[in-house]
Amino acid sequence: EVQLVESGGGLVQPGGSLRLSCAASGFTFSSYAMSWVRQAPGKGLEWVSGISGSGGSTYNADSVKGRFTMCRDNSKNTLCLQMNSLRAEDTAVYYCAKSRTKTTVTTIEYWGHGTLVTVSS
Amino acid sequence: QSALTQPASVSGSPGQSITISCTGTSRDVGGYNYVSWFQQHPGKAPKVIIYDVSNRPSGVPNRFSGSKSGNTASLTISGLQAEDEADYYCSSYASSSTLVFGGGTKLTVL
Repeated sequence: EVQLVESGGGLVQPGGSLRLSCAASGFTFSSYAMSWVRQAPGKGLEWVSGISGSGGSTYNADSVKGRFTMCRDNSKNTLCLQMNSLRAEDTAVYYCAKSRTKTTVTTIEYWGHGTLVTVSS
Repeated sequence: QSALTQPASVSGSPGQSITISCTGTSRDVGGYNYVSWFQQHPGKAPKVIIYDVSNRPSGVPNRFSGSKSGNTASLTISGLQAEDEADYYCSSYASSSTLVFGGGTKLTVL
C-alpha cells in the first residue's frame, strides 16, 4: 500500500524559512517523479514543485521560483521542500504527491494527508 | 501557468448525469493527453478518479468517465449518488514540465 506522510508544517513569521518532509513507502521510490501541491484555506489546489525520480531535475511554479527548493533522498525514501522568504500567501496545506511516471510529473496518482503551513506574525 | 477554467458549481439530483468542463489552452489540455480529475471531500486529501483523459484507476466506479476535445476536457458522472457530493478538480501537464490545476467545481447532489 502506498503511503505518503508529510511533516514539518507549523507557524512561521513572514520572511522566515521552513522545511517540509515526506516519508514514502509501499512503492519503488526512485522510479517515480514526485510533487508538492498546496491548498490555501478554502481555496483550490496549486501545484508547487516537482522532481524527477533520480532527483536530477526539479521544476517549480512561477509563484515559488527562487524561494522554494525541492529535494529527495532515494536511499531513505524521503522528499523535502525547503521554503525560504515565506509570505502570507504561502499559507496552505501542503500535500506530497506521487506521479505515475518517472522523469516528470504528468499525472498525480497518490496524495499524502497534508501538513499545514501558516505564515503570520 | 494560468489555472484551467472550471465552473464554480454544478448540481444534480440522484440518478441524473452531470458534466464538469475544464478549459485550458494548446499549451496544456490541448497539447497533451495528461488530463486528470480529482475528487475531494471536505477535510480530506484529493483522490484521483480519472487519469490520462479517460482512464479510471481500479476501484473507481464506471459511473465516472472522462473525455477531451481540443482545449477542453470533461468529467461526466452518471447515476449521481449522494456520496458524489464533493469538490472536483482537473489538472493537466503543461509545457516546461509543470502541472496546472483547475479552480475546482463544487458538486451538490440535490
